Amino acid sequence: QVQLVQSGAEVKKPGASVKVSCKTSGYSFRNYYIHWVRQAPGQGLEWMGWVNPTSGGTMIGEKFQGRVTMTTVTSVSTAYMELTGLKSDDTAVYYCAKGLEVTVGSGFGIWGQGTVVTVSS
Amino acid sequence: SYVLTQPPSVSVAPGQTARITCGGTKIGSKSVHWYRQKPGQAPVLVVHDDRDRPSGIPERFSGSNSGNTATLTISRVEAGDEADFYCQVWDSRSEFVVFGGGTKLTVL
Repeated sequence: QVQLVQSGAEVKKPGASVKVSCKTSGYSFRNYYIHWVRQAPGQGLEWMGWVNPTSGGTMIGEKFQGRVTMTTVTSVSTAYMELTGLKSDDTAVYYCAKGLEVTVGSGFGIWGQGTVVTVSS
Repeated sequence: SYVLTQPPSVSVAPGQTARITCGGTKIGSKSVHWYRQKPGQAPVLVVHDDRDRPSGIPERFSGSNSGNTATLTISRVEAGDEADFYCQVWDSRSEFVVFGGGTKLTVL
């Protein structure tokens, strides 16, 4: 079955960077956009951006431009999200998600389990 | 940027019908997706493209979208339906995905 398995929890100091991985299986990795969404404690869902595994092209949300890089390695069907210049309000659960269909506007049919990133001095 | 507005909370008695709204300018021209999220869990897609249900989602969950409001309707509400619900669209002009602020459904 389709699965997205994310890397484990991270604790980082302010100013550091974090790279979260999202290993996929059970479908053709190249054909579906991967989105990244985060959720701060007690808050709602916040979309960060998407990556197209076929072209490597990305679209990063305005709030994260200049701080987020999204990449893929097709040989291992894995997507990555790197966030730099960490601040305390970057403390959140970070999710990767796969579209239900191949179009970029498709609903997110499958989600990873989430990666907790804690930023603390 | 495009904004989606949801009521922070909706309360309903078991067996009744819950309606959760999602407001946005001309949202009727966009495809709306709805997610359910229970505490400590990842979100789950319950309605996509305004009114379609993924496999495994009960028929009690339905959606509609017209004008400036999309609505998620949950019929015959059960205690297990308590969760946060989020609407989401893709804004073709910016190519950004947008989530609503979320609605906490309480079953009385």
